[in-house]
Amino acid sequence: DAGVIQSPRHEVTEMGQEVTLRCKPISGHNSLFWYRQTMMRGLELLIYFNNNVPIDDSGMPEDRFSAKMPNASFSTLKIQPSEPRDSAVYFCASSSWSGNEQYFGPGTRLTVT
Amino acid sequence: KNEVEQSPQNLTAQEGEFITINCSYSVGISALHWLQQHPGGGIVSLFMLSSGKKKHGRLIATINIQEKHSSLHITASHPRDSAVYICAVRGYGNKLVFGAGTILRVKS
Repeated sequence: DAGVIQSPRHEVTEMGQEVTLRCKPISGHNSLFWYRQTMMRGLELLIYFNNNVPIDDSGMPEDRFSAKMPNASFSTLKIQPSEPRDSAVYFCASSSWSGNEQYFGPGTRLTVT
Repeated sequence: KNEVEQSPQNLTAQEGEFITINCSYSVGISALHWLQQHPGGGIVSLFMLSSGKKKHGRLIATINIQEKHSSLHITASHPRDSAVYICAVRGYGNKLVFGAGTILRVKS
């Protein structure tokens, strides 16, 4: 299995632009998680899905962030408009169930200038 | 006070030494995870445990639910063990809360 796939691996954008991060979970996994990692705050859960349904989005910072999972093999995290404080590494992870071991993607390093 | 506290924050060891990283938490949990983040940034799940002890190669993880404490041990440490080790607890809502991580450097 290819593992969790994220794209792009690096993204540099200007403040105010829309950013879309993509994730393909491991085939057969039915839980998907989006995390953000910064030096100041460490790793934080943004949102997670079970069977494509958002279960807990309490970590989504504000309305500028949105996440979708249109099918079992694809999820997006969108930031519109982006701000410099959104600069971070965004990880996607999947598991066979939300209570099981999670497998992390390589992350997307986002820089907003 | 953070829900998950790790100690030490930084650890430098000589190759071959026995290493212990500690994690204390303040909330009720359904499981505790130990993760390893490599210098390149990738994150790997090492253990998920809800009681007792687990062993994988040179790594051992223990948890004491009553004391709300877990330890990660590395026996016969090697420079390739150099990484950030992160403790995360899962509450009953399945949300993971992470510690700040322990930066381990093993010198040859």
